[in-house]
Amino acid sequence: AQRVTQPEKLLSVFKGAPVELKCNYSYSGSPELFWYVQYSRQRLQLLLRHISRESIKGFTADLNKGETSFHLKKPFAQEEDSAMYYCALRGGFQGAQKLVFGQGTRLTINP
Amino acid sequence: KAGVTQTPRYLIKTRGQQVTLSCSPISGHRSVSWYQQTPGQGLQFLFEYFSETQRNKGNFPGRFSGRQFSNSRSEMNVSTLELGDSALYLCASSLPGLQETQYFGPGTRLLVL
Repeated sequence: AQRVTQPEKLLSVFKGAPVELKCNYSYSGSPELFWYVQYSRQRLQLLLRHISRESIKGFTADLNKGETSFHLKKPFAQEEDSAMYYCALRGGFQGAQKLVFGQGTRLTINP
Repeated sequence: KAGVTQTPRYLIKTRGQQVTLSCSPISGHRSVSWYQQTPGQGLQFLFEYFSETQRNKGNFPGRFSGRQFSNSRSEMNVSTLELGDSALYLCASSLPGLQETQYFGPGTRLLVL
């Protein structure tokens, strides 16, 4: 079975502080992991994916297969990072576009 | 390029009725997926269509169905609406290849009374 767990529904940090949003997954094969973000009144959009190994808006995420985790990190939070963040997994046969989402973490950056 | 569009944006129906939602993908995208978003269950995959064929299906009852047209536009239909069908329905499109990113539409908010 495919499952994504985001243990924190709410996370609040001060501007300039480090941020870590946790994501754990359950999947028997080799998954693709994603972080999606939804800013207020905007549509869901891709933030980053593990195969790209890139940093977007200062965020990074490393896939740890041993711990089955894909935590999202940013060293210095900014107020514009306040948003809803979803971790998602794509498994199944290649090319199929089924995403399994976690419940999401609402991140609030306090000034 | 224009993004994924969904119509209508808001809809109010009563129990027992049926509803059809529409999704127009980004030009060139041939895969369209549908998701249901509710406060209790979060984002759940409904189904995916590619080249007018259902390629993948989530765990929803048969009251939920969809189709895709030759121009890649997709519709989903919910028959015999129940109160629990109230949700935000999201459509996402992607290029057909491996590891392609899904781009989401703004959603259709359905309220069942």
